[in-house]
Order: sequence, then structure tokens, then C-alpha cells
Amino acid sequence: AIQMTQSPSSLSASVGDRVTITCRASQAIATDLGWYQQKPGKAPKLLIYGASILQNGVSSRFSGSGSGTDFSLTINSLQPEDLATYYCLQDFNYPRTFGQGTKVEIK
Amino acid sequence: QVHLMQSGAEVKEPGASVKVSCKPSGYTFSDYYIHWVRQAPGQGLEWMGWINLNNINKGATKYADNFQGRVTLTMDTSISTVYMELSSLRSDDTALYYCARDSEYYDGANYFDRLGDWGQGTLVIVSS
Repeated sequence: AIQMTQSPSSLSASVGDRVTITCRASQAIATDLGWYQQKPGKAPKLLIYGASILQNGVSSRFSGSGSGTDFSLTINSLQPEDLATYYCLQDFNYPRTFGQGTKVEIK
Repeated sequence: QVHLMQSGAEVKEPGASVKVSCKPSGYTFSDYYIHWVRQAPGQGLEWMGWINLNNINKGATKYADNFQGRVTLTMDTSISTVYMELSSLRSDDTALYYCARDSEYYDGANYFDRLGDWGQGTLVIVSS
């Protein structure tokens, strides 16, 4: 199975900061990657698919990039409502695999 | 508006089976895949499998290997409901189980998963 490794595992940033989360795949996965946001006590929410395509209705403060093995999710101008854990998910092959998550806290 | 309604919490003894339902609404039932994802308490997300509701290959399934044949996904089109059954339950199966609709995206060259709608989750507790 493809291993997805996220970094950092957690971070703390101030409102207005730019935050970047990275996800590395154990083998090349083209652009077959999605990013999900999970707020405490809630189901995950799709932010990005195809590595860089913003899901309808998601704030343009979120952006994704990367291909092959290295990917990133960037949150521009961090807001209090961005407090959440973020996961990458590869859909290159089976089994689908998630990264371990990155917890974003607000200073 | 798309909505996925899951069945209520379950408490099971080790060795038993559990069957969780997921009833989508707000779109044509047979148009998409339904994935299942679980989350143990305080842990990350784990993909379990999907079932294809599409008329072309209705009922086809794909499972994560690490469930070793313990998981079965089925559908009842007469009531537009999908089921996830997990057998031989162990204490480490205690988790929140989610269903999610995959409105797969095709960009002309590749297909991308797009798990854009999720159920509220079903808590399964395995305890003696």
C-alpha cells in the first residue's frame, strides 16, 4: 500500500498567517490526491481534489499543489474557523490511504 | 441538497457482527460510488472500501486488504440504502464509521475521487 506521510503533525499559527502542510507519497501518484478538513466532532470535508482543484464552495484561501510524490496544502490568511485537522488522501491505487493528519491550532 | 443519513450507534460484543446503513438523498441513488471510512477514537481516518451504485457495474465492490475479508458492502436499491457489515469484531474495531458519496471527476484524461458528501458517522463500540 502507498504510504502517505504528512508534516508537520501539528502546528500553531496566528490569524492572518499563511500555513503550508505537506504530504509525501511513498511512490509517485501523479496528481491523484485530495485534501480533507475535519473540524472537531464533525465529518471530514473535501477541500481539494486532483491535487489542485478547489471543491465548489470552498474558500479560495485554500490551495493545493504538487505532483508525483510531493504535495502541499496552503491556507492563506488563516482564520479562526480553520481550526481543524487536515488529511491528504491518495486515489492513485488501492487501497486508498490517508496521511496521518495535521492538526492546525490558532495562537 | 445531498444528505447521507446513517443508522444509530451500536454496541457489540467481540466476535459479533455489525451492519451499518447509509441512506443517501437529494440525488439519483444509482449515479455514484459510496465509500466507507472509519476513525478510531482520537485517531486518523482509515479507508475501508467502496461500492459502485452505477447502473453499468452496479454492486461492484472494492475493499481494503487489511480487513481480511471481514467487511462486506451491499446495497438495496428498492430503499436506496447502502450497508456496511463488519464481522468478527474486535475491540480495536471501536470507531466512528462514515459513508461518503464519491462524485468522481473526469478531466478528460484521469478520474479523481471526490468524496464531497459525508454521513454524520455511526459509532460502533466493541466491548464485552
